[in-house]
Amino acid sequence: EVQLVESGGGLVKPGSSLKLSCVASGFTFSSYGMHWIRQAPKKGLEWIALIYYDSSNKYYADSVKGRFTISRDNSKNTLYLEMNSLRSEDTAMYYCALGGYWGQGVMVTVSS
Amino acid sequence: DIQMTQSPSFLSASVGERVTLSCRASQNINKYLDWYQQKLGEAPKLLIYNTNNLHTGIPSRFSGSGSGTDYTLTISSLQPEDVATYFCLQRNSWPYTFGAGTKLELK
Repeated sequence: EVQLVESGGGLVKPGSSLKLSCVASGFTFSSYGMHWIRQAPKKGLEWIALIYYDSSNKYYADSVKGRFTISRDNSKNTLYLEMNSLRSEDTAMYYCALGGYWGQGVMVTVSS
Repeated sequence: DIQMTQSPSFLSASVGERVTLSCRASQNINKYLDWYQQKLGEAPKLLIYNTNNLHTGIPSRFSGSGSGTDYTLTISSLQPEDVATYFCLQRNSWPYTFGAGTKLELK
């Protein structure tokens, strides 16, 4: 069974940094591209980053390009999202995803 | 970026009714269209992928169709547990983009 468990969220001040993790199990992690998606409170969904199975390619939404970095450690079955220069508009639930399989999400709140 | 427009934004229907939700892309997305269901307080759940393929474990009352820019999700007989918000997602080109959602309620 595919399982994705996010962690690392919390309340931070504008301008600060945070690193999210997503531990994967139930499939061969090193064979699949992985994604981060976010959903602001009571808002729609935004696909923010994609990383290929071997980290050879990474794609970002314009809203996070230059501030967020997606990475992975295939030896640890773990996906990461490093978030810098956080803004209030980054406040959202962050989900990691393998195609149609999503984790339960981790909340990030950016507020002074 | 490809814009995804869902209609209607809100839909009220009765148990047993046939329900149709629509999603229109701003350009051809070559059937790379998925449908997600999100219940209150939960993560979105994949229902349909690549226009008309039912994801594992999804009831057969859900079906999808479409091509080019216009796509449809149909629930053949609405059940109480189908109350949720439904999102479409295009995966034809990066950045992947979601529709704003259709909120489905019971009449």
